Amino acid sequence: AQTVTQSQPEMSVQEAETVTLSCTYDTSENNYYLFWYKQPPSRQMILVIRQEAYKQQNATENRFSVNFQKAAKSFSLKISDSQLGDTAMYFCAFMKRSDMRFGAGTRLTVKP
Amino acid sequence: DAGVTQSPTHLIKTRGQQVTLRCSPKSGHDTVSWYQQALGQGPQFIFQYYEEEERQRGNFPDRFSGHQFPNYSSELNVNALLLGDSALYLCASSSGSHRETQYFGPGTRLLVL
Repeated sequence: AQTVTQSQPEMSVQEAETVTLSCTYDTSENNYYLFWYKQPPSRQMILVIRQEAYKQQNATENRFSVNFQKAAKSFSLKISDSQLGDTAMYFCAFMKRSDMRFGAGTRLTVKP
Repeated sequence: DAGVTQSPTHLIKTRGQQVTLRCSPKSGHDTVSWYQQALGQGPQFIFQYYEEEERQRGNFPDRFSGHQFPNYSSELNVNALLLGDSALYLCASSSGSHRETQYFGPGTRLLVL
């Protein structure tokens, strides 16, 4: 069974600085998708970035980028120029077919 | 363009009762997935509906059932409620061409007393 591990329950960063959130996963599959979702206190899950496993190029979305290491089964999220609005729970997720597995989340606080 | 909507936003039930939660997908989406998110945890996949059929199911008992209507909206039903069913229930929608990319609704907070 696929499992997703986020080893950092909580992190904090100063506004305008860069922070990296870690995620590892376990799977025997070769083709799959990986995601980072953000869940602010309003509780709605917002898609931050996605990565197809067959693509070697790391995905980027404005200030958000990933470091995808397929062999190491690692999928970290880098947030550049952190903003107060980035404060939220961040969930890493793995998907094969329709079954999406989430990690336990990392609570990120951006400090002014 | 309306996103994914869910109703009700909050619900309180007692043990043994039955509950129905509702979800309307984002415009243009035809697939609906349901998740349970216990407090302090990541969401867990319950099941997915496409073309009015359950296509895949996570590790949830038969007390959890669903339905999808011709307009792609969906219901989640939970029978014989247990205290442990207290959670945030999230609905997510996606379209056939990019079914792996899901957009979530705001959720329904269910409290079972």
